[in-house]
Amino acid sequence: SQKIEQNSEALNIQEGKTATLTCNYTNYSPAYLQWYRQDPGRGPVFLLLIRENEKEKRKERLKVTFDTTLKQSLFHITASQPADSATYLCALDRTNSGYSTLTFGKGTMLLVSP
Amino acid sequence: DTEVTQTPKHLVMGMTNKKSLKCEQHMGHRAMYWYKQKAKKPPELMFVYSYEKLSINESVPSRFSPECPNSSLLNLHLHALQPEDSALYLCASSPTGQGREKLFFGSGTQLSVL
Repeated sequence: SQKIEQNSEALNIQEGKTATLTCNYTNYSPAYLQWYRQDPGRGPVFLLLIRENEKEKRKERLKVTFDTTLKQSLFHITASQPADSATYLCALDRTNSGYSTLTFGKGTMLLVSP
Repeated sequence: DTEVTQTPKHLVMGMTNKKSLKCEQHMGHRAMYWYKQKAKKPPELMFVYSYEKLSINESVPSRFSPECPNSSLLNLHLHALQPEDSALYLCASSPTGQGREKLFFGSGTQLSVL
């Protein structure tokens, strides 16, 4: 069966450090992968989409890598701030569904301490 | 306007009640989605509408009945729910629903079934 695993349930780091979150998947052949941020009681907010032919993508302090050989994506937040504290979800479309069937990993809860 | 609006924000209902959740977007998107999210779990796909037709039903019990009156509106009719149906119900939209798209989520309806 298709699985998305985000290895850490929670990650605590100090302000100013780089946070690195991991997303591994099995039995997918994704053309792209997405990352979302979710705050408590709110809907997920899209952050980045990376395609299979892109090794790396950046947006301001965010960086995503995508290794289709390792079946892994890494999500980095540099110069982290307390406002970055949230749950971060990686997501993949089911293969060959023909429609957007975004499936989410369980998420990693990031806590950035001052 | 890049918002997906969901009403109500909170809903408490008994197991014999009938209620409806509403979702609206004015981004011109032609795909709309219902997701269900239990506490400390990732969002789980329930239904996908693409061009106002039900494209995906993730084997959701018939006590949940979706409706897409037009391309801007999505309803979820609830009847004879069980306490285990208590969750955050999220609506989302995307341009076409054909995959390779980011999703725009609403803030959700927090549903409690007594």
